[in-house]
Amino acid sequence: AQTVTQSQPEMSVQEAETVTLSCTYDTSENNYYLFWYKQPPSRQMILVIRQEAYKQQNATENRFSVNFQKAAKSFSLKISDSQLGDTAMYFCAFMKHAVNYGGSQGNLIFGKGTKLSVKP
Amino acid sequence: DSGVTQTPKHLITATGQRVTLRCSPRSGDLSVYWYQQSLDQGLQFLIQYYNGEERAKGNILERFSAQQFPDLHSELNLSSLELGDSALYFCASSVDLETGGEQYFGPGTRLTVT
Repeated sequence: AQTVTQSQPEMSVQEAETVTLSCTYDTSENNYYLFWYKQPPSRQMILVIRQEAYKQQNATENRFSVNFQKAAKSFSLKISDSQLGDTAMYFCAFMKHAVNYGGSQGNLIFGKGTKLSVKP
Repeated sequence: DSGVTQTPKHLITATGQRVTLRCSPRSGDLSVYWYQQSLDQGLQFLIQYYNGEERAKGNILERFSAQQFPDLHSELNLSSLELGDSALYFCASSVDLETGGEQYFGPGTRLTVT
C-alpha cells in the first residue's frame, strides 16, 4: 500500500520570502503521479501543482515549484515570494498509474498536511 | 469555482440517523470520487464511480453506500450515524478514467453528528 508522509505539521514564513514544504512517499510502483493541493480557510481543495513520475524535469507553476527526487521518494514544494493568500493547509498526494485503462483507480492518497502561515 | 456542486453545505443530525449527500460533477466529467476529511483520519478516499459504475473502493464503512445516476450526479448515503462520522465530505470529479488527471473538488458538505 502507498503512504504519504508530511513531517512538518506547521510552518510559517514572512511575506515575500521562500518556503519549502516536505513530502515523502512509499510505493513499489514505478509509474505514478504526485500532487500538491492547497486548502485555504474556505476549505476548498485547490490543485497547486502536478508531477508525473516518469518525467525527470521538475514541475513549475508560477511561484510554485517542486523538487522531485524519485530514488529518494521525495516530493517537496517550494513557494517563492510568499503572499498572504498562500496561508493554507497544503496536502501532498499520490496517485498510482493504472495498469490498464479499464481498471483505472485514480483515487488520491493524501498526507496529513502542513499548515502554512504567511506573516506580514 | 471548480464547477462541482455539493448539497447541502452543512448538515447536523443525531446518532443513529441516515443522511444523503449529493454531488453534481463538472459538465462533461464522467468520474466521481468521494473523500472524507476528519481531524483524526485526515483526507481519505471512500469510493469512485465512473459513468454509473463503481470503479474503486477505499476505506468506506459498510454503513456507507453511494451511487451514480444516469445524469452523472452522485449520492453518498450514510446510515446508523455515529459521532465519529462527523467530518467534511468532499466530492471530486474528473473527465474520464485517464490516470493522473486533475480532480476538481466541490466545496464539501460539513456533517455534524450529535
